[in-house]
Amino acid sequence: GQNIDQPTEMTATEGAIVQINCTYQTSGFNGLFWYQQHAGEAPTFLSYNVLDGLEEKGRFSSFLSRSKGYSYLLLKELQMKDSASYLCAVMDSNYQLIWGAGTKLIIKP
Amino acid sequence: IAGITQAPTSQILAAGRRMTLRCTQDMRHNAMYWYRQDLGLGLRLIHYSNTAGTTGKGEVPDGYSVSRANTDDFPLTLASAVPSQTSVYFCASSESGGANEQFFGPGTRLTVL
Repeated sequence: GQNIDQPTEMTATEGAIVQINCTYQTSGFNGLFWYQQHAGEAPTFLSYNVLDGLEEKGRFSSFLSRSKGYSYLLLKELQMKDSASYLCAVMDSNYQLIWGAGTKLIIKP
Repeated sequence: IAGITQAPTSQILAAGRRMTLRCTQDMRHNAMYWYRQDLGLGLRLIHYSNTAGTTGKGEVPDGYSVSRANTDDFPLTLASAVPSQTSVYFCASSESGGANEQFFGPGTRLTVL
């Protein structure tokens, strides 16, 4: 079966760094996406990785290891507005996105 | 530019009733998708369309139907609603059906009693 695992909830302090992990087992792999979803709102795109390594985009970075079926999203200099759910999704061999349940990130002052 | 719009924003529906959720995009994207999001579960694909005139089944298609008469519109119909279809429904679109960023509409919160 296809499976995406990520922690249910994490807590971090404003100004700090947090790493949200995602492990996956899917039928085929055509890239891994991270989305941000604020409560009551639609998901919005953060990053896409298809090759191994780190992709940096401002305060957010995403890492992929295809051999380990593993990715992480790194958020630096946390701000209160970063409080949201972070969704990991893998595009399978049929180009359909398989989604994790999301990690709710709570930022404390 | 509105992006993707969905209607209604929310709806309470009696079981057994027919309901159509509307989705319109103005980005001229070829591919469109319908997902449902339930607490504790990831987004699950209901139906998709890679181009106008074609549709396909996702992970959880039973009880739902779609049509894609033109590029902009992708309505989702529940022929006879059941309580297990209570969920938040998101419509999304992307330039094509490949590995592209998907843009999401604001969602429809549906409650079936």
